[in-house]
This record gives sequence, structure tokens and C-alpha cells, in this order.
Amino acid sequence: EADIYQTPRYLVIGTGKKITLECSQTMGHDKMYWYQQDPGMELHLIHYSYGVNSTEKGDLSSESTVSRIRTEHFPLTLESARPSHTSQYLCASSMSSYNEQFFGPGTRLTVL
Amino acid sequence: AQSVTQPDIHITVSEGASLELRCNYSYGATPYLFWYVQSPGQGLQLLLKYFSGDTLVQGIKGFEAEFKRSQSSFNLRKPSVHWSDAAEYFCAVGGDNWGKLQFGAGTQVVVTP
Repeated sequence: EADIYQTPRYLVIGTGKKITLECSQTMGHDKMYWYQQDPGMELHLIHYSYGVNSTEKGDLSSESTVSRIRTEHFPLTLESARPSHTSQYLCASSMSSYNEQFFGPGTRLTVL
Repeated sequence: AQSVTQPDIHITVSEGASLELRCNYSYGATPYLFWYVQSPGQGLQLLLKYFSGDTLVQGIKGFEAEFKRSQSSFNLRKPSVHWSDAAEYFCAVGGDNWGKLQFGAGTQVVVTP
């Protein structure tokens, strides 16, 4: 059973606010990923990390930033939220590049 | 560049009937292939995966998929669907050094009584 957690599950905020979406996993996985998914659409990779202090931007450009100070924790931050950031954000982790990814339940963000 | 195509955006199937979801991929090297399922408001759950070996792979919930290299396909099947199989299904391909996955646009499955 995969243990990967995301908080909050739902967030409604006003434009201009700074937010941090939390993602934690207890499996000791080195690889972690953030995806953005609009309703009924495919997943787009926005950030990934292959270990502590290593982060890379994904295929879809995003104004968000990430950090990886501890293996188990991979938070995503938006300095100034805008309505265009409204989406579902999914966090995932993997033991290695050649294993499946395990997904958290997601955070549904609405920016008014 | 790698890509995944799921030709069917939406499929409606009767409970007890068989189901087949199509997936075609484009990938320069040996692909790793996955099928995930997503229920409304939830994350993705892995149904099955193909890395190598037997081209017919069995997964959870009675699903299976067949890898056909000549057709660049990895179609998902279930002999008899249950109402609980109603969900969004995503095919994904990977295999690079970073473990990045390319997802298809998904197929929405509706199960009727």
C-alpha cells in the first residue's frame, strides 16, 4: 500500500495570496513529481525531483516553485495565486526511474 | 518525443459486458507502459504495468493488457465490467532516466445497468 499524502485536499483562496501545497511520502522514495490536471484532462508534469536538494521544471511551464529539503517532503508554492492557477495538483513518488509512480489524492485549488 | 494517444474520449458499456480501452504510444527506446485509473476527486491508482517479458500482463480488479510492439499499442481489457469500474482511465509511457511519464488524455468509462 502506497503512503503518499497531500494537504489540503481542497483550497479556495483569493487572488494574490501565497499558498503552499504539501506532499509527503513515507516510502523513502527518491523520485517525486508534481502534476497539474484540469478537469477531464490529461496530467501535465510541472516539477520533479530525483533527491534531496535537486529539483527540475517539468514539461509544462508553471509559475509555481518547489523545494526538496527532506526526502519525504516535496512542497509546491505559489507566491501570488491567480485564477489561471485553478486546477487539481497531484503529487507522486517513485522508488527509481524504472518503477511505477504512486499518487497522492490530489489538491483541488480554486483561486477567485 | 514520446507521446500517448487514447483514441476514445468516452466509452459507455453495460454492466457485465466486456471492455477494451485503446492506447497507442510513440517512444524512441524500449517503453515502460502503465495503466492507471482515477475515480472522481481522487488520485491515480495503478492497474498494471509492463516493463519486459510476457506481453500479456495481469493487473488488479480483473484487468489485463497486451503489449504489441509492432502496433505500438498497449490496450486494456476486462471480460466483464462492474458498476464500480466507472472511472477515468489513463495510459502512460515512460523509460527515461528521470522516471518521467507521458500520459494520454484519458478515457472516461460509464457503466450502465
